[in-house]
Amino acid sequence: SQQGEEDPQALSIQEGENATMNCSYKTSINNLQWYRQNSGRGLVHLILIRSNEREKHSGRLRVTLDTSKKSSSLLITASRAADTASYFCATVRVRNKLVFGAGTILRVKS
Amino acid sequence: EAQVTQNPRYLITVTGKKLTVTCSQNMNHEYMSWYRQDPGLGLRQIYYSMNVEVTDKGDVPEGYKVSRKEKRNFPLILESPSPNQTSLYFCASSFEGRDTQYFGPGTRLTVL
Repeated sequence: SQQGEEDPQALSIQEGENATMNCSYKTSINNLQWYRQNSGRGLVHLILIRSNEREKHSGRLRVTLDTSKKSSSLLITASRAADTASYFCATVRVRNKLVFGAGTILRVKS
Repeated sequence: EAQVTQNPRYLITVTGKKLTVTCSQNMNHEYMSWYRQDPGLGLRQIYYSMNVEVTDKGDVPEGYKVSRKEKRNFPLILESPSPNQTSLYFCASSFEGRDTQYFGPGTRLTVL
């Protein structure tokens, strides 16, 4: 079964706008990771946030984690056409098992 | 350059014809895994390996085999492929299972 559930399933915005994607999960986690996938290609790691962290930044990316609500969000600020991709959250369960959600498809229009 | 390589990148085969998809990493990672990606289902783990000679089933292991005889290689074997194994396959590696995963470029498999 899928652990992470991304929301929304698809998002379309104009270049320069911010994009927010959410991820919810059901069980306790060790960490939560976000990945990007350009059409049909391999996934690229974006950010890893540990269960004892609440917020993390990397360039134009900001990830938050709320373990009480079992949810995380990925914010991409000042989006660019090159940010068009699918974004996945992955949670690390017991025995270090990584489980991916179904992803959010982001389209940034120029 | 640190990377995970997969071969072949594209493969069209027929039902029942045994095939192997190779995966190799040059980062001395202990953890390696295989995923399949299908529309609307995200990535589902097939098998994983925590070290040489240590492998275990993921969420969808039926119809697949793996082996880990060397640290850098983790081949995926389909003994008798069926059309429901048509999918996009990814190999990934990391130092530990909970760490950042490094993905290969993918293998698009079609079973007729």
